[in-house]
Amino acid sequence: KAGVTQTPRYLIKTRGQQVTLSCSPISGHRSVSWYQQTPGQGLQFLFEYFSETQRNKGNFPGRFSGRQFSNSRSEMNVSTLELGDSALYLCASSLVGWSGTEAFFGQGTRLTVV
Amino acid sequence: TQLLEQSPQFLSIQEGENLTVYCNSSSVFSSLQWYRQEPGEGPVLLVTVVTGGEVKKLKRLTFQFGDARKDSSLHITAAQTGDTGLYLCAGGGDSGGSNYKLTFGKGTLLTVNP
Repeated sequence: KAGVTQTPRYLIKTRGQQVTLSCSPISGHRSVSWYQQTPGQGLQFLFEYFSETQRNKGNFPGRFSGRQFSNSRSEMNVSTLELGDSALYLCASSLVGWSGTEAFFGQGTRLTVV
Repeated sequence: TQLLEQSPQFLSIQEGENLTVYCNSSSVFSSLQWYRQEPGEGPVLLVTVVTGGEVKKLKRLTFQFGDARKDSSLHITAAQTGDTGLYLCAGGGDSGGSNYKLTFGKGTLLTVNP
């Protein structure tokens, strides 16, 4: 069974640009969550999607957005990049998203903003 | 804001020693999960505990969920160099009623020296 696939693995962008990250969940999983990981703040929840609907959103500015497609694949977009957006962005998939079930993480996308 | 406090933040021990990592919160979670993350990789789920007072064992790792479901501990017996990594606790189903996100602690970085 293939795991969670995130692309690209590494990305370097300039301040002010925008970026789109992609996540393909495990086959059959309908819930996809996104997290930002930084050394200072740890893992912080961005948003969660289930069947193309955003069910929960973390405390991030509107520059951070996401969507989910009918095949459960998800993308997140960050517009007008800032230096502080440099982080490891992690995607997690689970069957239905109930917190008591197992969530599988991808390897992440390392975003560097210069 | 739901917070999970992990201690210690850093731990460096010799192979063969025992250690305990703690995860504490002022809030109740319906479940608590422990993950291990290696450099450049996403977190990998070790265990999920859902019942107050629950104890789970995974080979040399023992996980405990507090009676009030606000705290948890991870005990490693006879640590090995392969146990090196970032250990993260994450709470699900917070008192705000959100079942669709995990709240992470900042982690304990464990180094086991040969």
